[in-house]
Amino acid sequence: GESVGLHLPTLSVQEGDNSIINCAYSNSASDYFIWYKQESGKGPQFIIDIRSNMDKRQGQRVTVLLNKTVKHLSLQIAATQPGDSAVYFCAENMGGKLTFGQGTILTVHP
Amino acid sequence: EAQVTQNPRYLITVTGKKLTVTCSQNMNHEYMSWYRQDPGLGLRQIYYSMNVEVTDKGDVPEGYKVSRKEKRNFPLILESPSPNQTSLYFCASSLNRKGVGGYTFGSGTRLTVV
Repeated sequence: GESVGLHLPTLSVQEGDNSIINCAYSNSASDYFIWYKQESGKGPQFIIDIRSNMDKRQGQRVTVLLNKTVKHLSLQIAATQPGDSAVYFCAENMGGKLTFGQGTILTVHP
Repeated sequence: EAQVTQNPRYLITVTGKKLTVTCSQNMNHEYMSWYRQDPGLGLRQIYYSMNVEVTDKGDVPEGYKVSRKEKRNFPLILESPSPNQTSLYFCASSLNRKGVGGYTFGSGTRLTVV
């Protein structure tokens, strides 16, 4: 049978739509956050980061929002493309220790 | 090209047979780390190294050893592998432990212990 926790959250979108991937982090003392993208058969790749003294940071087609009040992080991808299909992880850094979330599977349909 | 290189990419071995997974980075990074990735458990840190001859345990160090004799290399050693060490392993490096600018990950080593 299936085990709880083996299935990651999933998000399916149409090509051209905007995607929002959410992450709840655990430690209110965490001061640095990173989003990674992991494609099948590859290692995680850095996408964007944000320090705890900021609430928003924009990159190319990506925006990270940080809400420290509710310990929530989100990654927004504009005009999502099939090449964006991957697993997305958030990571929090507290005192030099990086802790990763389990990830969200993003599938982009042409 | 700046990269972290792991070898081998795939390895099938038998219980108890010592093995080493190599990791090398060409970015002069001080910080290096090993992770294992398992379904439902995400990436968990095994060991890390802040600099040459400085190593420390991560969250799941049991059954593993590491060494950091040179800045560029950080091999992962399994003295007596067991089936519960079947996993996908990643080596990563960054300028420092905080990982500002992100960690650079290798392509992974898929290990199966039978």
